[in-house]
Amino acid sequence: EAQVTQNPRYLITVTGKKLTVTCSQNMNHEYMSWYRQDPGLGLRQIYYSMNVEVTDKGDVPEGYKVSRKEKRNFPLILESPSPNQTSLYFCASSSSGTLPSVTQYFGPGTRLLVL
Amino acid sequence: AQSVTQLGSHVSVSEGALVLLRCNYSSSVPPYLFWYVQYPNQGLQLLLKYTSAATLVKGINGFEAEFKKSETSFHLTKPSAHMSDAAEYFCAVSELSGTYKYIFGTGTRLKVLA
Repeated sequence: EAQVTQNPRYLITVTGKKLTVTCSQNMNHEYMSWYRQDPGLGLRQIYYSMNVEVTDKGDVPEGYKVSRKEKRNFPLILESPSPNQTSLYFCASSSSGTLPSVTQYFGPGTRLLVL
Repeated sequence: AQSVTQLGSHVSVSEGALVLLRCNYSSSVPPYLFWYVQYPNQGLQLLLKYTSAATLVKGINGFEAEFKKSETSFHLTKPSAHMSDAAEYFCAVSELSGTYKYIFGTGTRLKVLA
């Protein structure tokens, strides 16, 4: 089954404790992206990657890092989480053949609470 | 930079009534436009997208949207609401500047009344 998976689905942590949210897709997609969803703000793009070793900032990259060492994986790293990073996070992927018109496929989301 | 405005954070309709969810974009050139739906506790899934092939776009579950360049709008409609349509709907636009960024609206939560 074609899918985007995220782990963990729920995470409670404390300020300053480094964490990683994993994202994996099995569709051989080149393009992957991270979003955060906050009430009243919709989805905002954090980072995206056009392919292995190619990443770029979205609209809200501060406080986040990403890496793309393998095509299928695109982890999101919070090196020193703060309470304002409490949010619902989504990973998405798409093929890059006809960017930017392609459909993005979204993972189920990771709900993060930073105390 | 491009932007997307969704008018109405909450919309309520009666079952069987017309659904109209509004989306306006700002862009100097026709962008690519998308409508996504998010059911409770799930990720987003594509309803439909405009890629300049046709101004009236038909999507899944009976939804459609019309691209109107003169009004910079891409409103989502469905002739007859069903209880299963209750969800949050997001309009999105993709950047055409070569950065391949996506801009989402703030979302409209649709409630369907029995």
